[in-house]
Amino acid sequence: GQSLEQPSEVTAVEGAIVQINCTYQTSGFYGLSWYQQHDGGAPTFLSYNALDGLEETGRFSSFLSRSDSYGYLLLQELQMKDSASYFCPHNGRGPRFGAGTRLTVKP
Amino acid sequence: KAGVTQTPRYLIKTRGQQVTLSCSPISGHRSVSWYQQTPGQGLQFLFEYFSETQRNKGNFPGRFSGRQFSNSRSEMNVSTLELGDSALYLCASSVGPGNEQYFGPGTRLTVT
Repeated sequence: GQSLEQPSEVTAVEGAIVQINCTYQTSGFYGLSWYQQHDGGAPTFLSYNALDGLEETGRFSSFLSRSDSYGYLLLQELQMKDSASYFCPHNGRGPRFGAGTRLTVKP
Repeated sequence: KAGVTQTPRYLIKTRGQQVTLSCSPISGHRSVSWYQQTPGQGLQFLFEYFSETQRNKGNFPGRFSGRQFSNSRSEMNVSTLELGDSALYLCASSVGPGNEQYFGPGTRLTVT
């Protein structure tokens, strides 16, 4: 079957570093993506990992370990505007987004 | 380049009715996916279309159906509406399956 697990909520303070973990189970895995969705907005693409390792895009980095069916999103120098929901859909047998992780950044 | 457009943006229906939602993908994108979003449930995958063929389907009852046209535009239909169908329905397009998805603003459906 297919499954996706992320923490439901994460809270951190401005300027800190936070890591959002994601574990998945699927057949026909093609890669792991990360999306951000602010309240009232549509999800927007952040990053994509097809191979093992770390991808860095500015303050955001994403990591994938296919052997462990595990990935994470690392957000550095947190800003208030980073408060949002984060999803890690995998691309096996149709994209699966799940419930996501609600990140709250406090001053 | 214009983004993904969805029509209508808001819709109010009564139980038992049916509804059709439309999605126009970004020009050149051939893959369209549909999602249902409700508070606490995140984004639930409905279907994925590519080149007029349904490639994948989520765990929704047969009341939910969709199709894709030759110009990549897509529609989804929900028949015999239930109160629980009230949700934000999001459409996303991509160049192809597995590629970065671009989301439309969604259609807010309220079933009374």
